[in-house]
Amino acid sequence: QVQLQESGPGLVKPSQTLSLTCTVSGVSISSGGYYWTWIRQHPGKGLEWIGHIYHSGNTYYNPSLKSRVSMSVDTSKNQFSLELSSVTAADTAVYYCARQRSQMTTVTFDNWGQGTLVTVSS
Amino acid sequence: DIQMTQSPSSLSASVGDSVTVTCRASQSISRHLNWYQQKPGKAPNLLIYAASSLQSGVPSRFSGSGSGTDFTLTISSLQTEDFATYYCQQSFSTPWTFGQGTKVGIK
Repeated sequence: QVQLQESGPGLVKPSQTLSLTCTVSGVSISSGGYYWTWIRQHPGKGLEWIGHIYHSGNTYYNPSLKSRVSMSVDTSKNQFSLELSSVTAADTAVYYCARQRSQMTTVTFDNWGQGTLVTVSS
Repeated sequence: DIQMTQSPSSLSASVGDSVTVTCRASQSISRHLNWYQQKPGKAPNLLIYAASSLQSGVPSRFSGSGSGTDFTLTISSLQTEDFATYYCQQSFSTPWTFGQGTKVGIK
């Protein structure tokens, strides 16, 4: 059974860097075949895809956040991470990590972490 | 970016009703369209992929249809556990984008 679990500070000060880690169990990130992704949801709002990373370290970021986003992967710990720099109150959201896969010809998010609320406030 | 627009934003229905949610893409996305269900305080859960394929473990009362720019999610006989918010998501081109959601509430 694939499980994902986000961890990291729930409170970040404005202008600082938000850092989150997703620990994966039930599947090895290094086995390939999947991308590992971050998605956020502003309070009471819809979903925003932040970007993804492959086990090789290849990344793709949403252009709207690209200048502030960095993702990394640690296959030895079966974890991947998100850093978002220069945060403002607009970055307050629930952050989800998820497994991204290809099903037929489409790309889906078929396993999600429970989500972690990150609040940007001084 | 491809914009996804869902309608209605919310609806009220009774147990046993048939419910339809619509999703429209700002450009043709073929059948690269997925549907998710989200309950309060929980992560979204994949229901339908590639417009009409049912994800493993999802009840058959859920179905999807459409191609190009117009898609629908239908719940044939609404159950108590189906009261939730539903999102469409396109995977035709990056960045992947979601609709704003449709909240299905109890009448």
